[in-house]
Amino acid sequence: QKEVEQDPGPLSVPEGAIVSLNCTYSNSAFQYFMWYRQYSRKGPELLMYTYSSGNKEDGRFTAQVDKSSKYISLFIRDSQPSDSATYLCAVYRGSTLGRLYFGRGTQLTVWP
Amino acid sequence: DTGVSQNPRHKITKRGQNVTFRCDPISEHNRLYWYRQTLGQGPEFLTYFQNEAQLEKSRLLSDRFSAERPKGSFSTLEIQRTEQGDSAMYLCASSSRTGLAGGSSYEQYFGPGTRLTVT
Repeated sequence: QKEVEQDPGPLSVPEGAIVSLNCTYSNSAFQYFMWYRQYSRKGPELLMYTYSSGNKEDGRFTAQVDKSSKYISLFIRDSQPSDSATYLCAVYRGSTLGRLYFGRGTQLTVWP
Repeated sequence: DTGVSQNPRHKITKRGQNVTFRCDPISEHNRLYWYRQTLGQGPEFLTYFQNEAQLEKSRLLSDRFSAERPKGSFSTLEIQRTEQGDSAMYLCASSSRTGLAGGSSYEQYFGPGTRLTVT
């Protein structure tokens, strides 16, 4: 069983739609939850991270973590064509370890 | 540009050759990470340095792979006797020491990657 499962999509939505991206993880020891955005043939770009359960908002982006169900979500409001990219969720255990575990990414297209 | 830089950006090599990639982290970031990403997959962890010490290695890092960070600044990743299965994007990331719980490895900043093609 992989540490993080993520539906690869693809997901295609019209401009202005609300987008919901989701991941599940297997190990309750994970404490930090990240979302990265990756444009084609570029490195991943950190969008936001959340520690433990709860919500975190940054502009049009909201990250949500439910540790009881091991479920993490990213919501994008008022989606724009420039949001078209692959979105990767990642989890981190904490302490002195360095490894992030990534989902396989969801490919999102926002059409005008 | 003060982000993570990687060189070369692209490398085409023949099977059996050795290749070396370089990563320059964000200045003053003491933690440096290497990942590998294949098409349609998320990045997979290879190894992690804190300053010059290599603290964590994945089982993906076979005997043909070696990584160094001799002075705690830039890092190199060498692949010996390349195989076609080594074709991938090799990503480097860095993070600083500050953050919650005594570490900040959750806040990793990635470079643009080196795309390796083994023919």
